[in-house]
Amino acid sequence: EAGVTQFPSHSVIEKGQTVTLRCDPISGHDNLYWYRRVMGKEIKFLLHFVKESKQDESGMPNNRFLAERTGGTYSTLKVQPAELEDSGVYFCASSQNHGNTIYFGEGSWLTVV
Amino acid sequence: GESVGLHLPTLSVQEGDNSIINCAYSNSASDYFIWYKQESGKGPQFIIDIRSNMDKRQGQRVTVLLNKTVKHLSLQIAATQPGDSAVYFCAENSGGYQKVTFGTGTKLQVIP
Repeated sequence: EAGVTQFPSHSVIEKGQTVTLRCDPISGHDNLYWYRRVMGKEIKFLLHFVKESKQDESGMPNNRFLAERTGGTYSTLKVQPAELEDSGVYFCASSQNHGNTIYFGEGSWLTVV
Repeated sequence: GESVGLHLPTLSVQEGDNSIINCAYSNSASDYFIWYKQESGKGPQFIIDIRSNMDKRQGQRVTVLLNKTVKHLSLQIAATQPGDSAVYFCAENSGGYQKVTFGTGTKLQVIP
């Protein structure tokens, strides 16, 4: 069974540009999460989808970040315009409904220069 | 706000010895805890979990201990191997929706 997959694995963009990260959760997992870790900090929750609905987006840092999960399958996280402080690794995770184990992807490593 | 944190940022252990990684949490209402292992360039990998109605749980070479009185969590790794070298995160699963809150992480270095 395929795990959580993320694309791109690495991205280098200039300040002010736009980047879109994609996450494909494990098939059948209704819950999808975005997390990020910026340099020297802990992994922080961004938001949580249940199917196509945003269950909790309390961790989204500002309105430059937009997450979508149309159709309740894969999800995208867009950063527009990107700032230097957005550099870090963005993790996607998924879990089955009512399950407790959350499976993480390998992360998308973003560098804003 | 409530948070989950770690005592030691780096732990060096001789191969074959036992490792103990500690974690403190502040939310007394937390009822579910998880340990994750993150290897370089990879995402967090689930190791073991424990609910607040337990004080000990064992897996393969790993044991998690929970002390609710002092709000302390530990991960014990028996016979540490080079492949155990990674950053270990304790995390709290809360909010009713499986939202995970991570601590800052402890780096485990295994000395051959």
